[in-house]
Amino acid sequence: AQSVSQHNHHVILSEAASLELGCNYSYGGTVNLFWYVQYPGQHLQLLLKYFSGDPLVKGIKGFEAEFIKSKFSFNLRKPSVQWSDTAEYFCAVNLYNFNKFYFGSGTKLNVKP
Amino acid sequence: KAGVTQTPRYLIKTRGQQVTLSCSPISGHRSVSWYQQTPGQGLQFLFEYFSETQRNKGNFPGRFSGRQFSNSRSEMNVSTLELGDSALYLCASSLDPTSGGTYNEQFFGPGTRLTVL
Repeated sequence: AQSVSQHNHHVILSEAASLELGCNYSYGGTVNLFWYVQYPGQHLQLLLKYFSGDPLVKGIKGFEAEFIKSKFSFNLRKPSVQWSDTAEYFCAVNLYNFNKFYFGSGTKLNVKP
Repeated sequence: KAGVTQTPRYLIKTRGQQVTLSCSPISGHRSVSWYQQTPGQGLQFLFEYFSETQRNKGNFPGRFSGRQFSNSRSEMNVSTLELGDSALYLCASSLDPTSGGTYNEQFFGPGTRLTVL
């Protein structure tokens, strides 16, 4: 069965620290990849997505992610986090042309001011 | 465009009861998916509806069912509620990915918080 693994369940950083959240998936076919963010009290919002082309994708609020096909990974990065980045982050995989998404269990990021 | 709306936002039920949740997708979106979100489990896919037909299904018992109407609005029903059904139920809508593109980004609603006592 397809699955999505997020290795870090809870990350605590100070402002200006760099962030990298891991995401691995298990599916050998063509996939679309997403990172969603859920700020406290708000609903899920799309941070960035990868469909094809350049494996380094840039999203909103300075986030980026790199798709490494050989490693089945799609890690999320941000060079310098802010207190307002405190949220829960979810990696999601969608099988190409199938509207069925697999989500990771989420990573809670707490940025200390 | 208005976003995905879900009603009600909060529900409290007791074990054994049934519940119906409603979702209105973004105008023009024909696919509606439902998810269960619980702490530590992330989002678990329940099912997806397109053109009033269930097209994909997750690994949930038959107590969980849904339907979609001709205007793409969708309802989810849970019968014989159990304590473990307490969760945030999310609805997401998207354009049909098989309509010629791969643009199948999902847009999420605020969710319905269900508490089973």
